[in-house]
Amino acid sequence: KAGVTQTPRYLIKTRGQQVTLSCSPISGHRSVSWYQQTPGQGLQFLFEYFSETQRNKGNFPGRFSGRQFSNSRSEMNVSTLELGDSALYLCASSLLAGVDTGELFFGEGSRLTVL
Amino acid sequence: DQQVKQNSPSLSVQEGRISILNCDYTNSMFDYFLWYKKYPAEGPTFLISISSIKDKNEDGRFTVFLNKSAKHLSLHIVPSQPGDSAVYFCAASRSASNTGKLIFGQGTTLQVKP
Repeated sequence: KAGVTQTPRYLIKTRGQQVTLSCSPISGHRSVSWYQQTPGQGLQFLFEYFSETQRNKGNFPGRFSGRQFSNSRSEMNVSTLELGDSALYLCASSLLAGVDTGELFFGEGSRLTVL
Repeated sequence: DQQVKQNSPSLSVQEGRISILNCDYTNSMFDYFLWYKKYPAEGPTFLISISSIKDKNEDGRFTVFLNKSAKHLSLHIVPSQPGDSAVYFCAASRSASNTGKLIFGQGTTLQVKP
């Protein structure tokens, strides 16, 4: 069974540009969450999607957005990139919404560097 | 406001000994706690979890202890093995919120020396 797949794995952008990251969850999983990992900050929750609906959103500015498609694949977009957006962006999927129904399965992440 | 804190950025133990990783939280609404392990260039992988109705959960060499009154949880690894060397994140959630939102600590890097 394939795991969570994130593309691209690495990318470099300059300030002011925008970026779109993609996540394909484990087959059959309907919930997709996104997290940002930066040194010293741990993993910070961005948002969660379930059945194409955003269920929860973290404390990030509106430049960060996402969506989920009918096949459960998800994308997140960051517009007007800032240097501080450099981070590892992790996608996680679960069978159902709610972590107590099963742990989250993480992808390997997309490493974004903003110059 | 860091609701989940791992105050030790790093820990080094000898192979075969016990590793104890600690985590504190501030939000009394959290009722479900998890530990994840992360190797470099990989995503975090689930290790073990505990519900607030329990104070201990074991899975092989891994045991998580929860002290609700102190808002503290710990992960014990016995015996520690070199392959356990990784970054360990504790995480908390409110199960009643029924979302995939986890609040993570900053992580503790464990090094197990042969």
